[in-house]
Amino acid sequence: DSGVTQTPKHLITATGQRVTLRCSPRSGDLSVYWYQQSLDQGLQFLIHYYNGEERAKGNILERFSAQQFPDLHSELNLSSLELGDSALYFCASSVRAGFNSPLHFGNGTRLTVT
Amino acid sequence: DQQVKQNSPSLSVQEGRISILNCDYTNSMFDYFLWYKKYPAEGPTFLISISSIKDKNEDGRFTVFLNKSAKHLSLHIVPSQPGDSAVYFCAASDSGGTSYGKLTFGQGTILTVHP
Repeated sequence: DSGVTQTPKHLITATGQRVTLRCSPRSGDLSVYWYQQSLDQGLQFLIHYYNGEERAKGNILERFSAQQFPDLHSELNLSSLELGDSALYFCASSVRAGFNSPLHFGNGTRLTVT
Repeated sequence: DQQVKQNSPSLSVQEGRISILNCDYTNSMFDYFLWYKKYPAEGPTFLISISSIKDKNEDGRFTVFLNKSAKHLSLHIVPSQPGDSAVYFCAASDSGGTSYGKLTFGQGTILTVHP
């Protein structure tokens, strides 16, 4: 158990809809990262928050947004969903924001867009 | 443009033998490399890392080798155990700029260790 909690585990929704994925980091971790893993692909970095502030953005679509709240949990909002958004979405946390602070991943949310 | 490549989708070895997983990268700015292991229905788990100032890092049965001139790294598992069967991801990071722990992952190699 990594200590990172992601909810829900599975989500099935229709095209055009909006969903919110939630992540609770490990106790004491200030950094939260979101990654997307599409079928047969490696994990793609989406966005990084540190102590409530956005620190880095990757290939995140404009239809996607995220935030980290004062209690350090984070939410990833996906809107105007398309079939291609179907993927595993992982959240990870680390103690610091630095490159040498290993990421601890949650078990992911599997999103299916029909 | 895939900056981190794991060219072997799968690898099968016998229990007790050595497993060698390979990874190539193209971005010269990468200076920190990690290996993650992933079991089905779980998130990736950090295994071992290496900084570009080193060419080898060892942790128990796991050793990572880095060849900067060839932009190649490998993970050696000795001896391999059936519990090592999982997907292994190579990842790379640029410690400079604003990357702040952004990792670029390879596509993964499925390792199967037969009893």
